Amino acid sequence: AQTVTQSQPEMSVQEAETVTLSCTYDTSESDYYLFWYKQPPSRQMILVIRQEAYKQQNATENRFSVNFQKAAKSFSLKISDSQLGDAAMYFCAYRSANSGGSNYKLTFGKGTLLTVNP
Amino acid sequence: NAGVTQTPKFRILKIGQSMTLQCTQDMNHNYMYWYRQDPGMGLKLIYYSVGAGITDKGEVPNGYNVSRSTTEDFPLRLELAAPSQTSVYFCASRHERTGLNTEAFFGQGTRLTVV
Repeated sequence: AQTVTQSQPEMSVQEAETVTLSCTYDTSESDYYLFWYKQPPSRQMILVIRQEAYKQQNATENRFSVNFQKAAKSFSLKISDSQLGDAAMYFCAYRSANSGGSNYKLTFGKGTLLTVNP
Repeated sequence: NAGVTQTPKFRILKIGQSMTLQCTQDMNHNYMYWYRQDPGMGLKLIYYSVGAGITDKGEVPNGYNVSRSTTEDFPLRLELAAPSQTSVYFCASRHERTGLNTEAFFGQGTRLTVV
């Protein structure tokens, strides 16, 4: 079974600074997808960024980028120019890409609570 | 532009009561899911469905039941509520297409307290 580990329960960053959230995962599969979701106090789960394992290029979405290290099974999220609205719980998630396998579900880490200080 | 809609947003149940959490999506997604989120934990899969008439258990199905009579609706039934079912429940949906990394869309969650 796949597992996702977020080793930082809480992180803080100054507004306009950069912060990196860590995520490691364990899988025996070679084809899979990785995600970062943001959950603000409203509880809404919002997709921040996604990465396909077969792509060597790291995904980028505006101020959000990932460092995907497939051999190390690491998938960190970098937030640049942090804004007050970035304060939220961030979840790393894994999904198999193999049809007929466990591709139906997302496996989540426990989350990292990010505080942005003005 | 409704997406995934869950009702109710909050509910307090007494031990032994039953209730149904409603979930509907208007995106014609084939896959639907129910997750629970406990404090300090990630989301755990309760049940999922790959299409109308097809449901299957996830990681933590005990104490719950689901049905999927239509593509749009995926209600979660709690029978004989227990304090261990106090949690936040999320419904989600996704359009599964082989080879595509499709996004899961989530409802706003239901905070359930069993007392």
